[in-house]
Amino acid sequence: AQSVTQLGSHVSVSEGALVLLRCNYSSSVPPYLFWYVQYPNQGLQLLLKYTSAATLVKGINGFEAEFKKSETSFHLTKPSAHMSDAAEYFCALRLSGGYNKLIFGAGTRLAVHP
Amino acid sequence: EAQVTQNPRYLITVTGKKLTVTCSQNMNHEYMSWYRQDPGLGLRQIYYSMNVEVTDKGDVPEGYKVSRKEKRNFPLILESPSPNQTSLYFCASRRGTSGSGTDTQYFGPGTRLTVL
Repeated sequence: AQSVTQLGSHVSVSEGALVLLRCNYSSSVPPYLFWYVQYPNQGLQLLLKYTSAATLVKGINGFEAEFKKSETSFHLTKPSAHMSDAAEYFCALRLSGGYNKLIFGAGTRLAVHP
Repeated sequence: EAQVTQNPRYLITVTGKKLTVTCSQNMNHEYMSWYRQDPGLGLRQIYYSMNVEVTDKGDVPEGYKVSRKEKRNFPLILESPSPNQTSLYFCASRRGTSGSGTDTQYFGPGTRLTVL
């Protein structure tokens, strides 16, 4: 069965520090992988997506993620956190081969303190 | 502007009183879906629709109904709401079968429902 696991429901970093949000997946076929961000009282916004073209994917707002098949991981990073990065982040997968359904992880709430 | 809209944004109701949450997209997308978001559980799919008059159950369909009579609209209906349906609901759309698996899924702003 397909699934997404996000390690750490809450992550707290200092402004300017590295942001690392972990995502591991389980999939029977090659997946497409996505990171979404949800700011307070807003819907989900796509940060970046892995579509098998390149393993290192760059997204908006300085975020990037690396697809590692051997580790079944798709961790999200940002070199220097900004206060405006405080939000909830969701990792999601969609199976390749014509599937439409997005399977989400439980989410990680990122707090950034001065 | 390409967008998914939902109404209402906030709703407080009582057990058993039928309600409808509307969803509309202006991108001519084929695929639409409804999710509920609960703390610690992420987003779970309730129902989805591949196109007009084509709908199917997601992972948590009990207590919900949907319809897709027009391509742009996908309302979520709670015939007899119960307190366990208190949640944050999101409508989403993407191009679907006419596109590719990498197409972006767009989300509405959410509807926060409280059932007393």
